[in-house]
Amino acid sequence: AQSVTQLGSHVSVSEGALVLLRCNYSSSVPPYLFWYVQYPNQGLQLLLKYTSAATLVKGINGFEAEFKKSETSFHLTKPSAHMSDAAEYFCAVSDRNSWGKLQFGAGTQVVVTP
Amino acid sequence: NAGVTQTPKFQVLKTGQSMTLQCAQDMNHNSMYWYRQDPGMGLRLIYYSASEGTTDKGEVPNGYNVSRLNKREFSLRLESAAPSQTSVYFCASSPQDRYYEQYFGPGTRLTVT
Repeated sequence: AQSVTQLGSHVSVSEGALVLLRCNYSSSVPPYLFWYVQYPNQGLQLLLKYTSAATLVKGINGFEAEFKKSETSFHLTKPSAHMSDAAEYFCAVSDRNSWGKLQFGAGTQVVVTP
Repeated sequence: NAGVTQTPKFQVLKTGQSMTLQCAQDMNHNSMYWYRQDPGMGLRLIYYSASEGTTDKGEVPNGYNVSRLNKREFSLRLESAAPSQTSVYFCASSPQDRYYEQYFGPGTRLTVT
């Protein structure tokens, strides 16, 4: 079964600094990969997805992620943090042959300080 | 558009009581899902419905039942609540051909005492 590991349950960044959230998956076959964001007291929203050959994926709100097969990673970055980026971020993975089943990581809480 | 709506927002149950969580979507999506969210564990899939008339078990189905009432509505029932079912429950929907583009409701916070 697919699994995904997010390194760091809490990350604190200064406003304007780089945001880097780490995600590694366990699979010998490249899966589909996703990042979701959850703002306080809300449901999750899809931030970006990797489902095709393009390894650098751009999402909403200035976020992007790069799929690296050799490292089994799909790290999320944003060059300059904004206060509104404070949220919890979830990496998710899906086997290409396993319709409908997303396996979520434990989540990383991002705090943005002035 | 309301998107995905869930009722109730909060609920407290005693052990052994039953309840049904309601979910409705107005995006004409074929597929719907129920998840539970627990601290440090991300979201875990309870049940899903690929299309109207079908339901399937997810990762943690024990203690739950579901009903896909029609295309819009997908309910989750706890027949005999247990403290281990204290959690935040999310309903989601998606187009059938893009199951990973899931739209989530605001959640139901359930406490079982």
